[in-house]
Amino acid sequence: GAVVSQHPSWVICKSGTSVKIECRSLDFQATTMFWYRQFPKQSLMLMATSNEGSKATYEQGVEKDKFLINHASLTLSTLTVTSAHPEDSSFYICSARDAGVSGKTSVISADTQYFGPGTRLTVL
Amino acid sequence: AQSVSQHNHHVILSEAASLELGCNYSYGGTVNLFWYVQYPGQHLQLLLKYFSGDPLVKGIKGFEAEFIKSKFSFNLRKPSVQWSDTAEYFCAVTQKGGFKTIFGAGTRLFVKA
Repeated sequence: GAVVSQHPSWVICKSGTSVKIECRSLDFQATTMFWYRQFPKQSLMLMATSNEGSKATYEQGVEKDKFLINHASLTLSTLTVTSAHPEDSSFYICSARDAGVSGKTSVISADTQYFGPGTRLTVL
Repeated sequence: AQSVSQHNHHVILSEAASLELGCNYSYGGTVNLFWYVQYPGQHLQLLLKYFSGDPLVKGIKGFEAEFIKSKFSFNLRKPSVQWSDTAEYFCAVTQKGGFKTIFGAGTRLFVKA
């Protein structure tokens, strides 16, 4: 099955520093990746949609200058939390949507998201 | 606006009991429907999905879900739960052909051994 990895799996940083989180699709190409934030005991909240080769689309209320997203290739998207503060502490999860460009993926698979294991960010 | 409602936030069952988790969505167009599971300490995994065809969908680990279009519902069921089914379950909806997935708030299931 499709695998999505995230790095790092957890990170602790000081307030004011920036943190970069990587999301990789390991065995498929993803033109679209999604970044979610999950607070304890709550559901996933979509932060932004990352499109390969173009600017990310941010959800209402998400600061694009604070959460920088880059999707430079079909297998990698990065989320950078700039000038992190304690309130940014959360569980960040990415997902990737199969582009179906390999010729090996069915249309049905192309409409499914595959989730990474998440990155737990703690800002002190 | 699209939304997904899961009726129960917490469910506690004994092993071998039957399970039904409710999910309703609000969206007027054609949708794809998903149930995801998140076991303690693990990432989200796809349990099952409905795109078209037979409204009764069978997924992994004995789970199934039924899409009832008239009720905008996609309830998850399992005839006999096991202790290992203890997890959080999320219902999700995507507009067909769209990119954005809306998740329900999740239902935490605890199965007593």
